[in-house]
Amino acid sequence: GQQVMQIPQYQHVQEGEDFTTYCNSSTTLSNIQWYKQRPGGHPVFLIQLVKSGEVKKQKRLTFQFGEAKKNSSLHITATQTTDVGTYFCAGNWEGYSTLTFGKGTMLLVSP
Amino acid sequence: DTAVSQTPKYLVTQMGNDKSIKCEQNLGHDTMYWYKQDSKKFLKIMFSYNNKELIINETVPNRFSPKSPDKAHLNLHINSLELGDSAVYFCASSRRELAGGLMAGELFFGEGSRLTVL
Repeated sequence: GQQVMQIPQYQHVQEGEDFTTYCNSSTTLSNIQWYKQRPGGHPVFLIQLVKSGEVKKQKRLTFQFGEAKKNSSLHITATQTTDVGTYFCAGNWEGYSTLTFGKGTMLLVSP
Repeated sequence: DTAVSQTPKYLVTQMGNDKSIKCEQNLGHDTMYWYKQDSKKFLKIMFSYNNKELIINETVPNRFSPKSPDKAHLNLHINSLELGDSAVYFCASSRRELAGGLMAGELFFGEGSRLTVL
């Protein structure tokens, strides 16, 4: 089946530092979604990227979709303790009817 | 109003027992899913139902049997529980979007059911 590789697996930053997580697919994605899961919580949808080269912002979060639609990134500027959680990308491919999740990046933010 | 609700939230049981988890969504979505999240946080699709019909059945032991009595409900029954079944099971629902074929739109997850098999 199709897979998305997500790195890093884990990152620990000081509050105020930036954070980036990356997702890669070996084949062209139709779209990619990003989710956040707080500790003890459930995944919550953040955004969907569809177009080649697309960039979307949500306050301090910037999401990018690569030109070839094979990679994506989520960048958080000036992290806060409320950003703590696991961030998942999830890919949709043409001909596949369900999302496949990356393994997630766990973000810890120290005050 | 909770959009996707699943019960129970916690299940502790002995090996060999049978257990069920129920899920209901009030979003009017046609598609519902069961995901398993293991201790390493990996989210793995188990089943997907569209309008009560099974459309995805990943490599899951036959001991797991989903049932969808209507498009708002998707239940999961597990027979002969094993230690390795311990995990958090998430129900989710979505619309299906037409984008090079039908695919999943935004997923709405339930709060999860933590199953511990002793």
